[in-house]
Amino acid sequence: NAGVMQNPRHLVRRRGQEARLRCSPMKGHSHVYWYRQLPEEGLKFMVYLQKENIIDESGMPKERFSAEFPKEGPSILRIQQVVRGDSAAYFCASSPRVPGQSYEQYFGPGTRLTVT
Amino acid sequence: GESVGLHLPTLSVQEGDNSIINCAYSNSASDYFIWYKQESGKGPQFIIDIRSNMDKRQGQRVTVLLNKTVKHLSLQIAATQPGDSAVYFCAEYTFGNEKLTFGTGTRLTIIP
Repeated sequence: NAGVMQNPRHLVRRRGQEARLRCSPMKGHSHVYWYRQLPEEGLKFMVYLQKENIIDESGMPKERFSAEFPKEGPSILRIQQVVRGDSAAYFCASSPRVPGQSYEQYFGPGTRLTVT
Repeated sequence: GESVGLHLPTLSVQEGDNSIINCAYSNSASDYFIWYKQESGKGPQFIIDIRSNMDKRQGQRVTVLLNKTVKHLSLQIAATQPGDSAVYFCAEYTFGNEKLTFGTGTRLTIIP
């Protein structure tokens, strides 16, 4: 059973370009979370999605950032017009999510975004 | 807002000794507390968790202690090995809130 997959593992973008980060959850998992990690810091929640629905985007910056989890295919975190402050590691986690019973989130290896 | 914080940013321990990593939290409504290990260039890896109605939970070489009176959580690693070198995060989870709230992290270095 493959784990959570993220690609690319490393992404370099110039200021003003768009960054697209992909996450394929574990088989059978329909809940996806995105977290951002700045160097030497803990992970910060960004967004929680189910298939075709955004459940909680309270951690997402109001501008330039968007996320989707279509019925088919991976979840996408999109950052438009990237700035140097967007440089970070972005982690995806997936969950089987049994309501009220399970919190387990399984993390992918992350995408390291560098904005030059 | 609610936060989970750690006392020490770095910890060096002799190989074979026991290590204790501490964490303070502020959300008294948390349902679970979880410890994650993150090796360089990798995602967080689950180590052990404890439900808020428990005081202690043991795993293989690891023990988590929860003191709700002072809102303190600790991770004890017995007989540390070089492979234990990593950054350790505590996190909390509340049903209905859905997201994990992570602390800053403690870097554990094992001295051969």
